[in-house]
Amino acid sequence: AQSVTQLDSQVPVFEEAPVELRCNYSSSVSVYLFWYVQYPNQGLQLLLKYLSGSTLVKGINGFEAEFNKSQTSFHLRKPSVHISDTAEYFCAVRNDGGATNKLIFGTGTLLAVQP
Amino acid sequence: NAGVMQNPRHLVRRRGQEARLRCSPMKGHSHVYWYRQLPEEGLKFMVYLQKENIIDESGMPKERFSAEFPKEGPSILRIQQVVRGDSAAYFCASSPAPAPAYEQYFGPGTRLTVT
Repeated sequence: AQSVTQLDSQVPVFEEAPVELRCNYSSSVSVYLFWYVQYPNQGLQLLLKYLSGSTLVKGINGFEAEFNKSQTSFHLRKPSVHISDTAEYFCAVRNDGGATNKLIFGTGTLLAVQP
Repeated sequence: NAGVMQNPRHLVRRRGQEARLRCSPMKGHSHVYWYRQLPEEGLKFMVYLQKENIIDESGMPKERFSAEFPKEGPSILRIQQVVRGDSAAYFCASSPAPAPAYEQYFGPGTRLTVT
């Protein structure tokens, strides 16, 4: 069975500092990987996705993530955060070639950007 | 192009009542997914539907929960005889096709409170 682990439930960081949000996954088949952001009382918005090709994926709002197959990781990074980046971030995986397209989510990481 | 619409945004029900949650997918999208987010947890897949068909309901509780996506009208998630443990945010997502390159677009969610 697939699973996603986000070890950090909360990451406090000062404005303009770099940040990395960690994501590890477990799967016996090839997967597609996603990062979503959820602002308070809103739905999820896709930040970026890895389907194939280059392991470094660039997304919206200056975020990027690197797929590391040997370490089964897909960590999210941003070189300089803003107050407006404060939100909950979810890592998710989806089966490659499965009959369903369900996303398996991690428990989320709250990014708290302080002035 | 309007996004995924969900209504109501907030729903309060007493134990034993029925809850009906509606989801209107984005225009041109014929695939709908329902996820549930319990407090302090990530989103959990519930059910995946295409027009008039349930494709995958592996995440649906066996009793009291049902979902439909009729030929005309929104998708409905129905919870009969609600209990306090059903209190959660319920998110709907839609996509134009099941291929992995197609993003799932999420609605703002319905927050169900059972008193």
